[in-house]
Amino acid sequence: KQEVTQIPAALSVPEGENLVLNCSFTDSAIYNLQWFRQDPGKGLTSLLLIQSSQREQTSGRLNASLDKSSGRSTLYIAASQPGDSATYLCAVLTDSWGKLQFGAGTQVVVTP
Amino acid sequence: SAVISQKPSRDICQRGTSLTIQCQVDSQVTMMFWYRQQPGQSLTLIATANQGSEATYESGFVIDKFPISRPNLTFSTLTVSNMSPEDSSIYLCSVVMTGANTGELFFGEGSRLTVL
Repeated sequence: KQEVTQIPAALSVPEGENLVLNCSFTDSAIYNLQWFRQDPGKGLTSLLLIQSSQREQTSGRLNASLDKSSGRSTLYIAASQPGDSATYLCAVLTDSWGKLQFGAGTQVVVTP
Repeated sequence: SAVISQKPSRDICQRGTSLTIQCQVDSQVTMMFWYRQQPGQSLTLIATANQGSEATYESGFVIDKFPISRPNLTFSTLTVSNMSPEDSSIYLCSVVMTGANTGELFFGEGSRLTVL
């Protein structure tokens, strides 16, 4: 059974620092990996999607890498801002029908 | 991308009652998914809903407790039946997109249920 782990569980940084969020998965047979952001009590916002054949994806200040062989993905957020405070969830697509396996998330606080 | 609307956004319910959550998508999609997020936890898939067929439930979830309808390609409902305080959660509807970003999932804003 696929298991997804996110480290650290929580992270607090001062504004301007770069954020590094880690995600690991036990089964490398994935279709893709997706990073989401969730604000308290809200739904999920898709940040980046990395297909299994890709090594990284970038969007603005966000960059996500994928190493399928080692079962790891890293989300980098450059020059963090207080508005980046949220929970970040990593999820892997385990079949072609859209079934996601989620990690527990990393709660990020960026202090002004 | 897809725009997904859920109703209600939040509700407070009495033990033993049932509540139906609606999910409306702005485009036709084959697969729709219902997730539950219990307080402080990550998301757990409840079931997959295809138009024109019975929903497929994950282990630990049954149709009598979480009946699902999927009358067309843009709409689905999830009912939480005979609620107990343990059902207090955020329920999220999700769709998977095809095309350039095949397999990318989008979520609604969620329906936050509190059962007293």
